[in-house]
Amino acid sequence: DTAVSQTPKYLVTQMGNDKSIKCEQNLGHDTMYWYKQDSKKFLKIMFSYNNKELIINETVPNRFSPKSPDKAHLNLHINSLELGDSAVYFCASSQDWGAGYGYTFGSGTRLTVV
Amino acid sequence: AQSVTQLDSHVSVSEGTPVLLRCNYSSSYSPSLFWYVQHPNKGLQLLLKYTSAATLVKGINGFEAEFKKSETSFHLTKPSAHMSDAAEYFCVVSGVGSQGNLIFGKGTKLSVKP
Repeated sequence: DTAVSQTPKYLVTQMGNDKSIKCEQNLGHDTMYWYKQDSKKFLKIMFSYNNKELIINETVPNRFSPKSPDKAHLNLHINSLELGDSAVYFCASSQDWGAGYGYTFGSGTRLTVV
Repeated sequence: AQSVTQLDSHVSVSEGTPVLLRCNYSSSYSPSLFWYVQHPNKGLQLLLKYTSAATLVKGINGFEAEFKKSETSFHLTKPSAHMSDAAEYFCVVSGVGSQGNLIFGKGTKLSVKP
């Protein structure tokens, strides 16, 4: 199936741990994103990569580090997890960078930090 | 800077009655606008998009939206609500230039009563 797939779907971990979320798209898209959805459902961009190059890096703590080994993959590594990092993280991709391109979203990773 | 305002955080309708979800946008440029839907514990699905072609845009599942530049609005409508339409709906504007990412509204929760 053509899609954006994220793993894991659920992640429960203790404060202070380091964790990674993986994302892969097989749509042939050039651009990938990470969004964070908070408990009030608000979605905010974190990072964007276009052809493996970082395009957007919003005001995200540097404990969050994206890595794009190739244009089909964009992983998110989080160091020293904090309670406030609990959220749903969505990966997305679009055909190219710029206005007018809709995104295809993954099904999300629900991160719970205890 | 681009932004969207969803005027209602929660809309409740009866099955078979019309749906209206309101969205106003702010943009320095001719915007690209989208509506996304998120069913409970699911990812986000593109309903429809406007990219400066026809002002009345038809989407999936019987939804449509009309771009009104004079009112800076992009309201989502459906003639007859179905129980399966119950979900969170997001109005989205695309940034431009180096900020060409999608900027989400805060969402409108649609409830459908039998």
